[in-house]
Amino acid sequence: GAVVSQHPSRVICKSGTSVKIECRSLDFQATTMFWYRQFPKQSLMLMATSNEGSKATYEQGVEKDKFLINHASLTLSTLTVTSAHPEDSSFYICSARDVLGEKLFFGSGTQLSVL
Amino acid sequence: DAKTTQPTSMDCAEGRAANLPCNHSTISGNEYVYWYRQIHSQGPQYIIHGLKNNETNEMASLIITEDRKSSTLILPHATLRDTAVYYCIVRGSGNTGKLIFGQGTTLQVKP
Repeated sequence: GAVVSQHPSRVICKSGTSVKIECRSLDFQATTMFWYRQFPKQSLMLMATSNEGSKATYEQGVEKDKFLINHASLTLSTLTVTSAHPEDSSFYICSARDVLGEKLFFGSGTQLSVL
Repeated sequence: DAKTTQPTSMDCAEGRAANLPCNHSTISGNEYVYWYRQIHSQGPQYIIHGLKNNETNEMASLIITEDRKSSTLILPHATLRDTAVYYCIVRGSGNTGKLIFGQGTTLQVKP
């Protein structure tokens, strides 16, 4: 199946700093990528839909100014958590839709810990 | 997209078939049934999907009832590595492709 690479796998940062997470589709072009977050013992929550060359669409309740999404190419989307706070500590997961649009492939996730 | 209902948890003996049920009684005609699983601290892994016919691949089989209101994911010979949270998701073909995850079923495969 298609491969989605997510980097970094784990990041620890100080409160108030910004953190960038990269999501790459390695062997296919992804016009649409999705960003999820997951708290311990909970399910994945969709944060936003990232479309190449256009603004991301955020789910209700997700602050677009705090979670900046850039999808500048067909193989790369980035999520920047700005001015991170301890409550932003979570597992962030990206996914990309394959060419046919039938399946989503997921990255391995990024564990963010804000001190 | 239609909502799904799954049991919270299930156990299965290693080597036996694991049958994971999913109820999606409000599914509409153009909505697909998808199954993903998530092993602890990893991203979800695609398993299988279908519209109305039963499907089989190298990982599992998907049995969809004739009225499409429920389905069953079958892992024919469960191994310890199949221990994971299994998500049944219904998605329309016309939306952006996003998947909305429910709580899933935690499958524990025991030796």
